[in-house]
Amino acid sequence: EIVLTQSPATLSLSPGDRATLSCGASRSVSASFLAWYQQKPGLAPRLLIYDASSRATGIPDRFSGSGSGTDFTLTISRLEPEDFGVYYCQQYGSSPLTFGGGTKVEIK
Amino acid sequence: QVQLVQSGAEVRKPGASVKVSCKASGYTFINSYIYWVRQAPGQGPEWLGFINPSGGSTFYSQKFQGRVAMTSDTSTTTVYMELSSLKSEDTALYYCARGLKLAARTSFDFWGQGTLVTVSS
Repeated sequence: EIVLTQSPATLSLSPGDRATLSCGASRSVSASFLAWYQQKPGLAPRLLIYDASSRATGIPDRFSGSGSGTDFTLTISRLEPEDFGVYYCQQYGSSPLTFGGGTKVEIK
Repeated sequence: QVQLVQSGAEVRKPGASVKVSCKASGYTFINSYIYWVRQAPGQGPEWLGFINPSGGSTFYSQKFQGRVAMTSDTSTTTVYMELSSLKSEDTALYYCARGLKLAARTSFDFWGQGTLVTVSS
């Protein structure tokens, strides 16, 4: 099983700041089959990025994904108030599909 | 618009089974796999498996093999997930989600609202 480790656990930032979230895999994720989701309290996760760097439909271009192999990054160029929440990475390159433990982006 | 609407909250005793439904609408039902994911309070999501509604083939996480069963009904565009031999550790929000691509290895672009399953004696 591929274990995904996200860092930092919590990111305290202000609107307008740049956010950099990391996701490390215990072994290489095949074909960069990695996604990022945003989750707000009481709601289901929302797909932001798939295949490591492709934005999902309707996702603003301030969200970008990069990386390959075992190291992946989600960058939010300028935080908007609605961007605060918990972010999860997920690998779907091998079974079982696994998720990271999440990074909470909170208002400073 | 694509919608996945799940059945309501359930409470079960340890050792019992629970069956959760997920009704799909707004797209061609047989053209996307449906995945099941659960999330315990304060934890990251955990994948249980998926079903191909066209034909009903399934693939389960080894962790849940023998305890989970997924079925689909094309006449009502509904998918079901049954989990048996419940333990307190199975208490979680259970989500169905649609695969972005018609492939076993894919991300999930639409999610149901979640069904809370509580296992308690």
